[in-house]
This record gives sequence, structure tokens and C-alpha cells, in this order.
Amino acid sequence: EADIYQTPRYLVIGTGKKITLECSQTMGHDKMYWYQQDPGMELHLIHYSYGVNSTEKGDLSSESTVSRIRTEHFPLTLESARPSHTSQYLCASSGSGGASYEQYFGPGTRLTVT
Amino acid sequence: GQQLNQSPQSMFIQEGEDVSMNCTSSSIFNTWLWYKQDPGEGPVLLIALYKAGELTSNGRLTAQFGITRKDSFLNISASIPSDVGIYFCAGELPRAGAQKLVFGQGTRLTINP
Repeated sequence: EADIYQTPRYLVIGTGKKITLECSQTMGHDKMYWYQQDPGMELHLIHYSYGVNSTEKGDLSSESTVSRIRTEHFPLTLESARPSHTSQYLCASSGSGGASYEQYFGPGTRLTVT
Repeated sequence: GQQLNQSPQSMFIQEGEDVSMNCTSSSIFNTWLWYKQDPGEGPVLLIALYKAGELTSNGRLTAQFGITRKDSFLNISASIPSDVGIYFCAGELPRAGAQKLVFGQGTRLTINP
């Protein structure tokens, strides 16, 4: 059972607000990922990290930013939320070695920007 | 970017029926993964495949890594109500150091009792 947590689970916020979505994992995984997913649609990678102080942009352009100061923590920040940011945001992590491609997901944060 | 073509997009079946879905790509993949996502939750890993031709089972689920490395299928036998959800395939491209996954569009499974 994967131990990866996301808070908040649901967030409704007004346009222009700054928000931070939290993601933490207790598995000691070095790699972490953020995906954006519209309901029932495919997942799009927006950020990933190979370890502390490593962050890269994913395949889908996003106005969000991430940081990786601690191995277990990978928060995502939106400086000024807009309605176009409304979506589900999923955090995932994976370890090293032979199973390094097996990504384990958190429950997601459903963001609604009004 | 690279795309995985997953089919069918949706399935409506009777409880007890077997289910089959697949993913294809024009690119070669090193790894194939199958996930299930329930409404409002994150995807849960069902099966991981690492070798061309590999056939792996997890209970009533069976998945295969195609010989050409460009496709994979997932079978569910004797479906039950808790199988309802969206199934995603994901593949890892052979780019050194990437360790990123590409996801299919999903297969939405609905079961009529």
C-alpha cells in the first residue's frame, strides 16, 4: 500500500488568489511527479523531480511552480489562480531500482477557481 | 508528444462477463503499466510489465506486454461491480534518465447488475 498524501482534497477559491497544494510521501521515494487531469480524461505530466533541489517541467505547460526542499515533500504553487486552472491535480512518487517506473498516486486535489 | 491509443473508450457489460482492453502506440516502450481509477481518487497500480512477451496476472486481471513492444492488453475475467472505474494504460519511453510515463486516454468500464 502506497503512502502518499495530498491536501486539501477539495479547494474552491476565487480568481487571483495564491494557492499551494501539498503532497507528502513516507516511502522515501526519490522521484515525485505532479499531473493535471480533467474529469475522466488522461493524465498530463506538469512537473517532476528526481530528488532534493531537482525540479523539471513536464510535457504539459503549466503556470504552476514546484519546489523540492525535502525528499518527502513536493508542494505545487499557483501564484494567481484563474478559472482555467480548474482541474484535478494528482501527485505521484516512485522509487529507484527495478521498480522505479511504478508510480504511486495520492488521492488528488480537486481545484475549482471561481 | 508521444501518444498511447487506448481502446475501447468505454464499455458497458453485464456482471460476470470477461473484459478486454488494449493500448497501442507507434513508439516502442520499455515498460507498460495498468492503473484503475475510481471517481474522485487517484489511480491505483494494478500490473507492471517489464519484458516483451511478458504475461502477468493479479487475481482476475491478466496483462501482456506485446512482442513488438508497441502494445499491451488487459483482461478482466468474471467482472464484478467493484471493477467499475476507469482503466489507464501507461508506458515508459526508452529515453535515458527520463523515467516518465505517458498515459492512455482511459477505458471507462460500466457494469450492469
